[in-house]
Amino acid sequence: DQQVKQNSPSLSVQEGRISILNCDYTNSMFDYFLWYKKYPAEGPTFLISISSIKDKNEDGRFTVFLNKSAKHLSLHIVPSQPGDSAVYFCAASGAGGTSYGKLTFGQGTILTVHP
Amino acid sequence: NAGVTQTPKFQVLKTGQSMTLQCAQDMNHNSMYWYRQDPGMGLRLIYYSASEGTTDKGEVPNGYNVSRLNKREFSLRLESAAPSQTSVYFCASSHGEKLFFGSGTQLSVL
Repeated sequence: DQQVKQNSPSLSVQEGRISILNCDYTNSMFDYFLWYKKYPAEGPTFLISISSIKDKNEDGRFTVFLNKSAKHLSLHIVPSQPGDSAVYFCAASGAGGTSYGKLTFGQGTILTVHP
Repeated sequence: NAGVTQTPKFQVLKTGQSMTLQCAQDMNHNSMYWYRQDPGMGLRLIYYSASEGTTDKGEVPNGYNVSRLNKREFSLRLESAAPSQTSVYFCASSHGEKLFFGSGTQLSVL
């Protein structure tokens, strides 16, 4: 039972345009959400996160939106750059204490940004 | 500052062999984790250690054991490897909400 789903295995975008990566979850106990970025032969690296008490969090070119009623979150990258080409994982946890690192990951979306 | 270091990077085992994956972090983090990544399934938590001296099962613990040797080191042991354990294994540590991952161990069990 996949509790966190990324239904788009891949996304292709032109440099300078917006990239929108989507993620859906089913467990209403999740209240902390994160996006990780992964390059080949490397471990995932933290990108941005959002708590369930917020609906938006921004960090430079990256913005995460959370719609709790729809159990949906999205990552917007504006403008997209070729160096953003990577696999993006959505992840969720019950926040606090030892729950922080016990993440449930989506399957990942391969983003390709074309020059 | 190396962050999270995993050894080995690659390993090929025969069914039934045993091995230990090593992980060390130099960030003085309390919590450490082992995840595996399989195609089309994202990363799944095998075991975690909230603090030195404690370990607990994650989502997919069967066939694995762990040891939190000290605050820095957290090892994962396969006692009798099976082809279903062919995967990429990631160790991570955290302080707060961010996980810091190692570069992974690619394990093939034939």
